[in-house]
Amino acid sequence: QVQLVQSGAEVKKPGASVKVSCKASGYIFITYHMHWVRQAPGQGLEWMGIINPSGGSTRYAQKFQGRVTMTGDTSTSTVYMEVSSLRSEDTAVYYCAREVAAYGLDVWGQGTTVTVSS
Amino acid sequence: DIQMTQSPSTLSASVGDRVTITCRASQSFDNWLAWYQQKPGKAPKLLIYKASSLESGVPSRFSGSGSGTEFTLTISSLQPDDFATYYCQQYNNYPWTFGQGTKVEIK
Repeated sequence: QVQLVQSGAEVKKPGASVKVSCKASGYIFITYHMHWVRQAPGQGLEWMGIINPSGGSTRYAQKFQGRVTMTGDTSTSTVYMEVSSLRSEDTAVYYCAREVAAYGLDVWGQGTTVTVSS
Repeated sequence: DIQMTQSPSTLSASVGDRVTITCRASQSFDNWLAWYQQKPGKAPKLLIYKASSLESGVPSRFSGSGSGTEFTLTISSLQPDDFATYYCQQYNNYPWTFGQGTKVEIK
C-alpha cells in the first residue's frame, strides 16, 4: 500500500539546522509531487512548499524562502526537508504529503516532531 | 495569497446532528478546494477534493459544495468517529493555504 514514513523526533538548539526525511513506498516515486506542511502546537496547518521528485524542482512559501531546502533521492524514494537557523517558533510537527493532481494531498506521513529549545 | 477563513472555529453538536462548516476565500477561484479531517496526534486525512468530490473510502455522510469564494462541508448525521478538527485548503494558487480549522466537539 502507499505509505510515507518519516524520520524520528528531533530536539535542536536555536540557530541549528534540522533535516527531516520522508520515505515513500507503494507507488512510483517520481510520478507524484511531495509537499511539506507543518503544525505548531495547538495551531493549524501551514503549507511550506513542494518538490517535484522528478527533476528536483521546488517552490517554497515566501515565509520560508532562504531557510528551507527540499531535496529528493530517487534511488531511495526519499524526500528531505531541511530548515536552517532554527528558532523557537519552528517547534512543530512537520508532515510530508503526496499530491495527486487535482485531488489535493491524499497520503500523509506520520509527522516528525521538531522541538527547538535552548 | 488567497486567505481562507473558516466558520465557526468551534462547533458543539450531538450524535445524529447535521453539521455544516463554511470556508470563505479572500478571492474567487476555480473549485480546487479540499477538506481534511484531523484527529489529535494524527496526520490530516483527505475527505473531499475539487470542492465536492468524495475521496475513496470516505463515508457518504460527508459532502462538499460551493464555488467562487464560499465553500461548505456538511456531515449529514454526525457519528462518534467524526469528532475532530476540519480544515479547508485551496490548491488553486501557490502558496497553497489552509483555513484555521473548525473543531467539532461533543455537546
